[in-house]
Amino acid sequence: GAGVSQTPSNKVTEKGKYVELRCDPISGHTALYWYRQSLGQGPEFLIYFQGTGAADDSGLPNDRFFAVRPEGSVSTLKIQRTERGDSAVYLCASSLNTGGTQYFGPGTRLLVL
Amino acid sequence: KQEVTQIPAALSVPEGENLVLNCSFTDSAIYNLQWFRQDPGKGLTSLLLIQSSQREQTSGRLNASLDKSSGRSTLYIAASQPGDSATYLCAVITQGGSEKLVFGKGTKLTVNP
Repeated sequence: GAGVSQTPSNKVTEKGKYVELRCDPISGHTALYWYRQSLGQGPEFLIYFQGTGAADDSGLPNDRFFAVRPEGSVSTLKIQRTERGDSAVYLCASSLNTGGTQYFGPGTRLLVL
Repeated sequence: KQEVTQIPAALSVPEGENLVLNCSFTDSAIYNLQWFRQDPGKGLTSLLLIQSSQREQTSGRLNASLDKSSGRSTLYIAASQPGDSATYLCAVITQGGSEKLVFGKGTKLTVNP
């Protein structure tokens, strides 16, 4: 079956612009996670959804970052007033149930010029 | 705060060699531990998941062990092949409510033909 998909695969934007990153989880997976990975580092947690609600958003770095999952499936990560330091690979993962294996998408590479 | 460390940061071995990758974590109250593989420019592929009550998991040439009390896990790769070349990441979910994975920085493995 289809895995986790993320769009776009690459995004180049200018400092100060708004961007949206999309994640389509594996069908039927109730949990969805966003992580951010900088070069040479392991992924860092941003936010986790169980169904439609954000169960833990403690990893969001500041109020420029926001994520939604209105129907409990597709999720969108939104970044306002982008900064050069936001440049990273944004990874999405989903799992069938809590505590289960997390399956990752290919990521969106964001470059802020 | 949970911290995950992976040693070594990089490892180069000749084809056919058996090898061990190490992972340590500071808070032994974990829910589970996952090993992932990441190829350059790609997302993460889940290799093995060990629940906190388990001691080891095996998949093909891979064997992962868990010693929760000492905060350590090892990933054993038997008869290494050039196709095993990748970065291997260890991650834990800590008990206490959130399902977020805390990652190490990874071990970059190169298997030379």
